[in-house]
Amino acid sequence: EAQVTQNPRYLITVTGKKLTVTCSQNMNHEYMSWYRQDPGLGLRQIYYSMNVEVTDKGDVPEGYKVSRKEKRNFPLILESPSPNQTSLYFCASSLVGDIYEQYFGPGTRLTVT
Amino acid sequence: TQLLEQSPQFLSIQEGENLTVYCNSSSVFSSLQWYRQEPGEGPVLLVTVVTGGEVKKLKRLTFQFGDARKDSSLHITAAQPGDTGLYLCAGAEGNNRLAFGKGNQVVVIP
Repeated sequence: EAQVTQNPRYLITVTGKKLTVTCSQNMNHEYMSWYRQDPGLGLRQIYYSMNVEVTDKGDVPEGYKVSRKEKRNFPLILESPSPNQTSLYFCASSLVGDIYEQYFGPGTRLTVT
Repeated sequence: TQLLEQSPQFLSIQEGENLTVYCNSSSVFSSLQWYRQEPGEGPVLLVTVVTGGEVKKLKRLTFQFGDARKDSSLHITAAQPGDTGLYLCAGAEGNNRLAFGKGNQVVVIP
């Protein structure tokens, strides 16, 4: 089954404790992206990647890191999480020729206390 | 990032009624997408409209792209409880990115 998977689905952590949210897709998509979704603010892009070893900033990259060492994986790293990073996070992927038609993962709900 | 305004933000209707929600921008888009997001899940693509004035139908859902490619509407005929969800419009920014509106939350009451 074609899908984007994210882990964990739910995470409660404390300020400053490094964490990684994993994202994996099995559709051989070149393009991958991370978004955060907050009430009243909608979906905002954090980082995106056009292909392996190619990443770029979205609208709200501060406090986040990403890497794209393999085509299928695009982990999101929070080196020192803060409470303002409490949010619902989505990973998405698509073909590079159809980046406007994205497949989304199920989401990761992160709470930073 | 180009702005997409969706209205109304929230709409509650009875089963069987019709509804229309809107997505507007001052910018021209090469294409617009509509996604639906259900609670606890990620958005799922419903349709892409590309040509100004284009109308696409997906069962009881009708999507229209404005002639000037700055706006779009989604009309649902005889709404069902299964239509409940957050409808997101998204516009192609032409820089390998997608801009999303904040969504139209639709609740269909049985």
